[in-house]
Amino acid sequence: GNSVTQMEGPVTLSEEAFLTINCTYTATGYPSLFWYVQYPGEGLQLLLKATKADDKGSNKGFEATYRKETTSFHLEKGSVQVSDSAVYFCALSDERGYQKVTFGTGTKLQVIP
Amino acid sequence: EPEVTQTPSHQVTQMGQEVILRCVPISNHLYFYWYRQILGQKVEFLVSFYNNEISEKSEIFDDQFSVERPDGSNFTLKIRSTKLEDSAMYFCASSEVTGDEAFFGQGTRLTVV
Repeated sequence: GNSVTQMEGPVTLSEEAFLTINCTYTATGYPSLFWYVQYPGEGLQLLLKATKADDKGSNKGFEATYRKETTSFHLEKGSVQVSDSAVYFCALSDERGYQKVTFGTGTKLQVIP
Repeated sequence: EPEVTQTPSHQVTQMGQEVILRCVPISNHLYFYWYRQILGQKVEFLVSFYNNEISEKSEIFDDQFSVERPDGSNFTLKIRSTKLEDSAMYFCASSEVTGDEAFFGQGTRLTVV
């Protein structure tokens, strides 16, 4: 079955540091890949997505590139802010025609001033 | 911007009682989903619903659970005879078409005491 593995947290960074959160996946065919963010006390929000190999999703300074050869979708941001503190979930949906999303375990990011 | 809305935001119930969690998906969406997130754990798929029937369900979604679209706008999750381990955040989601991302509601925090 499908699965998503992402780096364990928590990750603590200073403001303006470079962020990488690793994510790899196992899936048949050509899944769509997502990063969701959950701010403290809130629900899940789609941060970015990529639907085919070599696509780059980007939003709010975050980027992730769909790498089929390494089955990876690492999240990066060049300069994090305190407001980026949240839990980040890597996820995928399969191509079978339904939208079941398989999530990773989440990585908690804490950015300190 | 259209959004998925869930009510209530927090529900406390006694063990053994039945609860109904309510969701209003985005109006032109055709696919509906329930997920849950036990505190500190990953978000888990429960069920998907299309064309007034369950299209897929996980092993978590046993006879204790049921879903219904009682009218043209609401989508409900019923949990019969709640157990302590049903305490979790329950997320509703919807998507317009297959192959597109799901939009998540803010969640209902269910606490079983």
